[in-house]
Amino acid sequence: DAMVIQNPRYQVTQFGKPVTLSCSQTLNHNVMYWYQQKSSQAPKLLFHYYDKDFNNEADTPDNFQSRRPNTSFCFLDIRSPGLGDAAMYLCATSAGRAEQYFGPGTRLTVT
Amino acid sequence: GENVEQHPSTLSVQEGDSAVIKCTYSDSASNYFPWYKQELGKRPQLIIDIRSNVGEKKDQRIAVTLNKTAKHFSLHITETQPEDSAVYFCAASRPGSYQLTFGKGTKLSVIP
Repeated sequence: DAMVIQNPRYQVTQFGKPVTLSCSQTLNHNVMYWYQQKSSQAPKLLFHYYDKDFNNEADTPDNFQSRRPNTSFCFLDIRSPGLGDAAMYLCATSAGRAEQYFGPGTRLTVT
Repeated sequence: GENVEQHPSTLSVQEGDSAVIKCTYSDSASNYFPWYKQELGKRPQLIIDIRSNVGEKKDQRIAVTLNKTAKHFSLHITETQPEDSAVYFCAASRPGSYQLTFGKGTKLSVIP
């Protein structure tokens, strides 16, 4: 009964080669989030969607973009991955400002 | 913006003992305080949360207390078990905001 699904679970990309991570949800939540989590650190919010309204955090690099074509799906695009972008990327959802449900994450490796 | 300090960064306890993790927040307007547990390689999972209109909330072996005046909140785990071993993150959120500001995490080890 997976609720927040992320694909792939592991992604290897080359330096500078665009990569897309995907997230889907079966909860019908109106808010979706993308977090970056580096080893031994707290999750860092990159951006979130309230329905179709996109909200970017002030310190999110321009290299990171997102798309939400419908309620269920959200994508994270990294246009030119650098070595510093290697991390776990977590998708989360919520119904308004209620509890956030996290997906299992995609571990991105940049070679 | 909001800043959340979390202590200690690591905590080891004997099985059956209690564990306490403390967080301090900077924004007095924050009104929602969740705690997440993250086991190695797994997703963060909400274990308990509290809103600013209550001072304490309990769920079986887990409790959270909130002191709005001092701007700190604490997680209490009683009768710890090895499966409680994980990293615990506190967080805070302002009214009207979707952003959770996380503490840096506490790695709890429960020694059998």
